[in-house]
Amino acid sequence: AQSVTQLGSHVSVSEGALVLLRCNYSSSVPPYLFWYVQYPNQGLQLLLKYTTGATLVKGINGFEAEFKKSETSFHLTKPSAHMSDAAEYFCAVGSNYQLIWGAGTKLIIKP
Amino acid sequence: KAGVTQTPRYLIKTRGQQVTLSCSPISGHRSVSWYQQTPGQGLQFLFEYFSETQRNKGNFPGRFSGRQFSNSRSEMNVSTLELGDSALYLCASSFQSTREGEQYFGPGTRLTVT
Repeated sequence: AQSVTQLGSHVSVSEGALVLLRCNYSSSVPPYLFWYVQYPNQGLQLLLKYTTGATLVKGINGFEAEFKKSETSFHLTKPSAHMSDAAEYFCAVGSNYQLIWGAGTKLIIKP
Repeated sequence: KAGVTQTPRYLIKTRGQQVTLSCSPISGHRSVSWYQQTPGQGLQFLFEYFSETQRNKGNFPGRFSGRQFSNSRSEMNVSTLELGDSALYLCASSFQSTREGEQYFGPGTRLTVT
């Protein structure tokens, strides 16, 4: 069965520092991969997705993710963290007729 | 386009009661999925409807049911509520298959069972 692992339930970075949120998936076929963000008291919003083609995917708010098939990873990065990036981030893999979700990583931004 | 709307936004119910939550997808979207989100269990898939048919179902007891109408609006029902059903219930719609297309989420309905 498909599974998604997000390393670290909480990640804390200083404002202006690099953001790196890790996601590994299990899949024997090329996957559909997604990153979503959830701000407090809101629903989830798509940050970016990978289907086919270029392995470096650019999303909204300066985030990007790189699909590495050999490592079965799809880590999310942003060069410089902003206070407004504080939220929970979810990685998901498309499988059959549903998305398989990671447990989420709360991103904390220190001033 | 209007986004996904969910009603009501907040609900307080007593153990043993039943509840119905409503979701209106983005116009043109035929797929509606429901999720339960709790601090302990994270985001858990309940079911997906596509063109009025349940296409996929998660591992929830039969107390959780849903349906979709011809205009793609969807309802979710929970019968015989338990304290553990307290959660944020999220609805998401998509144009394509859920596997391939991005989902658009509503703000959720926060259900508290006392």
